[in-house]
Amino acid sequence: DTTVKQNPRYKLARVGKPVNLICSQTMNHDTMYWYQKKPNQAPKLLLFYYDKILNREADTFEKFQSSRPNNSFCSLYIGSAGLEYSAMYLCASSRDWGGQDTQYFGPGTRLLVL
Amino acid sequence: GQQVKQSSPSLTVQEGGISILNCDYENDMFDYFAWYKKYPDNSPTLLISVRSNVDKREDGRLTVFLNKSGKHFSLHITASQPEDTAVYLCAAGRATGGNNKLTFGQGTVLSVIP
Repeated sequence: DTTVKQNPRYKLARVGKPVNLICSQTMNHDTMYWYQKKPNQAPKLLLFYYDKILNREADTFEKFQSSRPNNSFCSLYIGSAGLEYSAMYLCASSRDWGGQDTQYFGPGTRLLVL
Repeated sequence: GQQVKQSSPSLTVQEGGISILNCDYENDMFDYFAWYKKYPDNSPTLLISVRSNVDKREDGRLTVFLNKSGKHFSLHITASQPEDTAVYLCAAGRATGGNNKLTFGQGTVLSVIP
């Protein structure tokens, strides 16, 4: 099973409220990623977990948090949603870190902040 | 600035023709180049990838050409079919040096018309 699952598929949130998105994979992959994609823009890497180590991109460091309670699950947490967070959020996983192992993507969660 | 660019947001090709999708990159440390395909409401999936030690890779109807001096790579799809209609995302990264991060382009919408 090479699927990456994401919940929910669609999320409506109010400005200032927290948002928690969930990703799971059963491939025993060491690395899990979160990307943000807005219309007509490239997917932008927000953060990734290699095993238990969280790496956040410098320009989104303060906006997103994540947790990985076990190998299969990874969450993306927004403490206080703003209108600019409306986007598609893609989760991906890869077997390892380094050497450009194939990244397998989930179907995405479409977040709309009102 | 955007490190990976797809200058054509869309491309229309007649069935049976050759689809040529282009991608330019800025970082000359990139040594891994990939094309992902995305259907609406589906996950991006890896189509084909190359490392910088080759300048061409074929897989069935797909060929990737890499021009390192020009910082450009392209995907050629021969005998294009309506089911090739999708969004194509190019991506580049560094494989050597233990880095699995990918930088994506904005995507090109390919439409193959019967």
